[in-house]
Amino acid sequence: DVKVTQSSRYLVKRTGEKVFLECVQDMDHENMFWYRQDPGLGLRLIYFSYDVKMKEKGDIPEGYSVSREKKERFSLILESASTNQTSMYLCASSSPRDRGYEQYFGPGTRLTVT
Amino acid sequence: ILNVEQSPQSLHVQEGDSTNFTCSFPSSNFYALHWYRWETAKSPEALFVMTLNGDEKKKGRISATLNTKEGYSYLYIKGSQPEDSATYLCASSTTSGTYKYIFGTGTRLKVLA
Repeated sequence: DVKVTQSSRYLVKRTGEKVFLECVQDMDHENMFWYRQDPGLGLRLIYFSYDVKMKEKGDIPEGYSVSREKKERFSLILESASTNQTSMYLCASSSPRDRGYEQYFGPGTRLTVT
Repeated sequence: ILNVEQSPQSLHVQEGDSTNFTCSFPSSNFYALHWYRWETAKSPEALFVMTLNGDEKKKGRISATLNTKEGYSYLYIKGSQPEDSATYLCASSTTSGTYKYIFGTGTRLKVLA
């Protein structure tokens, strides 16, 4: 079974803090994604990576950066957290070897910025 | 259609009722359509991936159909049970970005015992 894990289920941070959200997958997937989910909105793509050290901006990259130093790990960084970044963050991974590029999700991190 | 749209946004049904939801997606450059079930406090779980026009998939009491020419998919749940309560997400991808999904906002289903 594919397993995608995220470092925290719940996180509370203060405005201005630097925040790291970690995601690890154990299926040797090439692609990894960070989404955020807010009430009334679909999952929105923040950043994705299709290989180690490669990254591309998604639909809402402002205020975020990412790091992928190892194939299995994809980190989302909030350089200076703001209250409008309070959200549910989901990590996912996929592989071009899977038909349809099916994405496998982690359990999510609910981040609150006060 | 430029975005993925799902309807209804939410619904409540009685245990034993059958129900269905709709997902509309851009039909141009279509590559794949995915359905996920997302239960509270859990990871979204893949239900179906469909790529061909006319595809029908079934898993237990849940089934899905795909029409790529007109850009819609239906998800059916037969004899709903309380454990079916979840948010059902659909996502499409296109040939210009096969590994990137466009998600709908989901349909939140509550099955009342």
